[in-house]
Amino acid sequence: DADVTQTPRNRITKTGKRIMLECSQTKGHDRMYWYRQDPGLGLRLIYYSFDVKDINKGEISDGYSVSRQAQAKFSLSLESAIPNQTALYFCATSDQGLAGNGELFFGEGSRLTVL
Amino acid sequence: AQSVTQLGSHVSVSEGALVLLRCNYSSSVPPYLFWYVQYPNQGLQLLLKYTSAATLVKGINGFEAEFKKSETSFHLTKPSAHMSDAAEYFCAVSKRGGKLIFGQGTELSVKP
Repeated sequence: DADVTQTPRNRITKTGKRIMLECSQTKGHDRMYWYRQDPGLGLRLIYYSFDVKDINKGEISDGYSVSRQAQAKFSLSLESAIPNQTALYFCATSDQGLAGNGELFFGEGSRLTVL
Repeated sequence: AQSVTQLGSHVSVSEGALVLLRCNYSSSVPPYLFWYVQYPNQGLQLLLKYTSAATLVKGINGFEAEFKKSETSFHLTKPSAHMSDAAEYFCAVSKRGGKLIFGQGTELSVKP
């Protein structure tokens, strides 16, 4: 089984619908992240959480919200989806470790299409 | 603020040729630098990382990168490309304890 699991892997929805993308991890890491990937733009950080009680906005948080239900679970919600939120979404984890060097472990991605 | 720029969104090489993917960074503090690879329909995985130890860093699959502070660069190289190297490569920067900032990505194609 994958260390970082994302569900669903693919989703097609309509404008205005509420969507939740879920992420769970078995690595025991405190830090979890949601990134969005668009062609030519690389990965952009949406939200991140350094522990269960800590939630932070990233570069592009508008239109998104998150919930850290437990150390192992971090979900991303689109309250009212719009077409320009069509993208590939990645969940990632990291262990602060001794140096806090930021190495990330990624899930396989959730492809979201908003019509 | 930290940032990273990858020069060239697409690079094409012949099998057996040198691979050179360019990355320049901007950071006000000593950075940590990373190269990640994304194979088709997969998540990203770490190729190699620089965390202020040796400036020449060796990674998986024969890749290496050299940290050059004077040039603010961290270019990725491989002496001889293989068909299996075809993927998208991302350079990323962070500071100690901070979050990772990614470049735009470079898609590597390998011609037979």
